[in-house]
Amino acid sequence: GQNIDQPTEMTATEGAIVQINCTYQTSGFNGLFWYQQHAGEAPTFLSYNVLDGLEEKGRFSSFLSRSKGYSYLLLKELQMKDSASYLCAPYAAGGNTPLVFGKGTRLSVIA
Amino acid sequence: DADVTQTPRNRITKTGKRIMLECSQTKGHDRMYWYRQDPGLGLRLIYYSFDVKDINKGEISDGYSVSRQAQAKFSLSLESAIPNQTALYFCATSDLRTRQETQYFGPGTRLLVL
Repeated sequence: GQNIDQPTEMTATEGAIVQINCTYQTSGFNGLFWYQQHAGEAPTFLSYNVLDGLEEKGRFSSFLSRSKGYSYLLLKELQMKDSASYLCAPYAAGGNTPLVFGKGTRLSVIA
Repeated sequence: DADVTQTPRNRITKTGKRIMLECSQTKGHDRMYWYRQDPGLGLRLIYYSFDVKDINKGEISDGYSVSRQAQAKFSLSLESAIPNQTALYFCATSDLRTRQETQYFGPGTRLLVL
């Protein structure tokens, strides 16, 4: 089975930096996804980490520690449009286990 | 062009009615999924299909059935709709041939059961 934990809600100020944490327990771990979902819209792919460490992609970076079962998404220079839910999803190796998503962290960016 | 489409986008139905939600994809992916999303509960997997002849139950399959008519089409049916099936439903696809198997989502169907 899988156990995924991430904060329910966060609030941050426009222009600031915010870190959204995700801890997970899963068998056969291969990598971890982050998705962004604006209210009422479909989730969209942000990042996939396989190796330990930080991967940067513009204003968004994602970190993974496989040994600690821990990941975070770092959003820099926050913009109002970053207000959304952020879902983490550990991916199990083998290809026969469907992806399980965390309940998501709802981020509100305020002026 | 939408790679994953869902019809209808919005639907209002009455308790006891049978309804079908349809999903089509032009991505050529072999794997397809149906999720429902409720406030505070995240995305929950209803059914998934790894190939045309493969159907698997997800976390919350009771009250639902699916049909994989072709590689590109995956339909979800509510046999006898009830109000607690009111939710936002998403279809998704993925490609086993890729190393990470990223899921791509359709725009969603908003269902209201009265």
